[in-house]
Amino acid sequence: EPEVTQTPSHQVTQMGQEVILRCVPISNHLYFYWYRQILGQKVEFLVSFYNNEISEKSEIFDDQFSVERPDGSNFTLKIRSTKLEDSAMYFCASSLYRQGLRYGYTFGSGTRLTVV
Amino acid sequence: RKEVEQDPGPFNVPEGATVAFNCTYSNSASQSFFWYRQDCRKEPKLLMSVYSSGNEDGRFTAQLNRASQYISLLIRDSKLSDSATYLCVVPGEYGNKLVFGAGTILRVKS
Repeated sequence: EPEVTQTPSHQVTQMGQEVILRCVPISNHLYFYWYRQILGQKVEFLVSFYNNEISEKSEIFDDQFSVERPDGSNFTLKIRSTKLEDSAMYFCASSLYRQGLRYGYTFGSGTRLTVV
Repeated sequence: RKEVEQDPGPFNVPEGATVAFNCTYSNSASQSFFWYRQDCRKEPKLLMSVYSSGNEDGRFTAQLNRASQYISLLIRDSKLSDSATYLCVVPGEYGNKLVFGAGTILRVKS
């Protein structure tokens, strides 16, 4: 079964440092997403990406965040200057259809980001 | 009304029990709805899609009531392995995202 792959599985970084979280979506999927989940809280939408541009972003996705699909297979989330409150599990997802019609989104296993 | 609301539970049930969760949503234009399952510290995994009045898959039945804007999930003959958090998921207003409910915790005990 096709998978969404995320690396690294766990990243520890110092406050103020830049981090890049990497994802390889399912190869024939067209829509890409980043979500995050702070421990004990709900899964929160960050950004959606289609046709090499951002479709929608949440209030969380401020100027410190950026996304890129540099080579047609990878999909990255960059946090420029991490804060303690950025500590969370970050999930990448992809879907074949808009709104995840019928098949939903497929999620990667996540990157646990710890900011110290 | 919030985009999606669920009873957080926990629902503590014995093995073999039938349990039902409800979820309400605010976007009346939504077409597809989903139930995801999330185990502790793992990624959400799709359990069922709901895009007409309902859907059944083995012990799991999802129903959609568009008039009242709620979705339900029924689990029959609960197993210990059904213990997880069940997430109600609906499309966002502009169709560019899925919105997750806070989840309902199910604990099945022997």
